[in-house]
Amino acid sequence: AQSVTQLDSQVPVFEEAPVELRCNYSSSVSVYLFWYVQYPNQGLQLLLKYLSGSTLVKGINGFEAEFNKSQTSFHLRKPSVHISDTAEYFCAVSGLTGGGNKLTFGTGTQLKVEL
Amino acid sequence: SQTIHQWPATLVQPVGSPLSLECTVEGTSNPNLYWYRQAAGRGLQLLFYSVGIGQISSEVPQNLSASRPQDRQFILSSKKLLLSDSGFYLCAWSYGGGADTQYFGPGTRLTVL
Repeated sequence: AQSVTQLDSQVPVFEEAPVELRCNYSSSVSVYLFWYVQYPNQGLQLLLKYLSGSTLVKGINGFEAEFNKSQTSFHLRKPSVHISDTAEYFCAVSGLTGGGNKLTFGTGTQLKVEL
Repeated sequence: SQTIHQWPATLVQPVGSPLSLECTVEGTSNPNLYWYRQAAGRGLQLLFYSVGIGQISSEVPQNLSASRPQDRQFILSSKKLLLSDSGFYLCAWSYGGGADTQYFGPGTRLTVL
């Protein structure tokens, strides 16, 4: 079984400040890791994903995440946030299964960017 | 390019009434299809997934069911809605399993009164 923990339910930050959204996972098998963003009343959009190789993954909108196997973490970062980054962010893990692509999501982190 | 549609966008239903939510994908063939429910503060819960026509896997036992009558159509149903069925329902598709990205539809907001 696999699980994802997003400890911070809400993260307030001022515009142009850096931000880190934390994600920890547990799994008994090799995993793929994802970050999705959800704007109000919309579906989810992929920000970035880690499959293998370089542990630093760059995504859209200036976001990046670093996979740390020893700490079982996949934290999302952005050096300077914008008002338009206000949204809910979900970390997800996908293990190797016999069919389909079963993503396990965290409970989400609401990022609120303030002026 | 591929697109995913869900309807209706919003729905208000009384307790005990039936439910039918529809999801269709365009621009690809034989996608994997998924139904999720999002409740406030609880993230996304995978309800059903399908790797082909007529092949449905249920993740959570409940009063909901899913069907895939055509390759790119996925339907979520209930015979009798419960208050606890309220939530935001998201359909998604992917090319395959494992590392493939899931692409989400715009969602259906269901309120059961």
